[in-house]
Amino acid sequence: AQSVTQLGSHVSVSEGALVLLRCNYSSSVPPYLFWYVQYPNQGLQLLLKYTTGATLVKGINGFEAEFKKSETSFHLTKPSAHMSDAAEYFCAVTMNSGGSNYKLTFGKGTLLTVNP
Amino acid sequence: DAGVTQSPTHLIKTRGQQVTLRCSPKSGHDTVSWYQQALGQGPQFIFQYYEEEERQRGNFPDRFSGHQFPNYSSELNVNALLLGDSALYLCASSFHRDGPGNEQFFGPGTRLTVL
Repeated sequence: AQSVTQLGSHVSVSEGALVLLRCNYSSSVPPYLFWYVQYPNQGLQLLLKYTTGATLVKGINGFEAEFKKSETSFHLTKPSAHMSDAAEYFCAVTMNSGGSNYKLTFGKGTLLTVNP
Repeated sequence: DAGVTQSPTHLIKTRGQQVTLRCSPKSGHDTVSWYQQALGQGPQFIFQYYEEEERQRGNFPDRFSGHQFPNYSSELNVNALLLGDSALYLCASSFHRDGPGNEQFFGPGTRLTVL
């Protein structure tokens, strides 16, 4: 079984401040982890993903995340927030169960607001 | 490349009615997954289609059914609509050989309102 917990349904930061969105996962086998962003009235866009290898992954728009197995975490960060980063962010997990079809399990999301 | 497309954009139905939502995958993709996103929640997996068969199913009742066509496009059907079925329905496509680390590309969704 797999699950995702996103701590904080709403995070508010000032423009130029550090963005930190928290994600903890549960998986019975090594996980594959994703961060998606959703702008109002739009679908989901992939920010970054962790599959194997380097635990610090870089994504689009200056975001990065670090996979920490010991903490079962995959927190998303950005050094300096921009107004255009205001959106809802979803952490998701899937796992290699030996088949060829992989469903994503999402967290409940974190709404990021950026104040001028 | 048009990406994943979904139709219609919005839909209003009444309780007890039936609805069909449509999805065309990104070019080169052969697998379609459907997700339900209730207001203020993360997307929840409904089911996944590959080679015109349902391969995986989430915790949704049999009122939710689907179909995949030879051109890989897909339909989601919901019968006997309930108020609780009101949500954004997202379609995602992928290529089955890319494995669990592959990116699922999402469409813009269909907003279903049940009155």
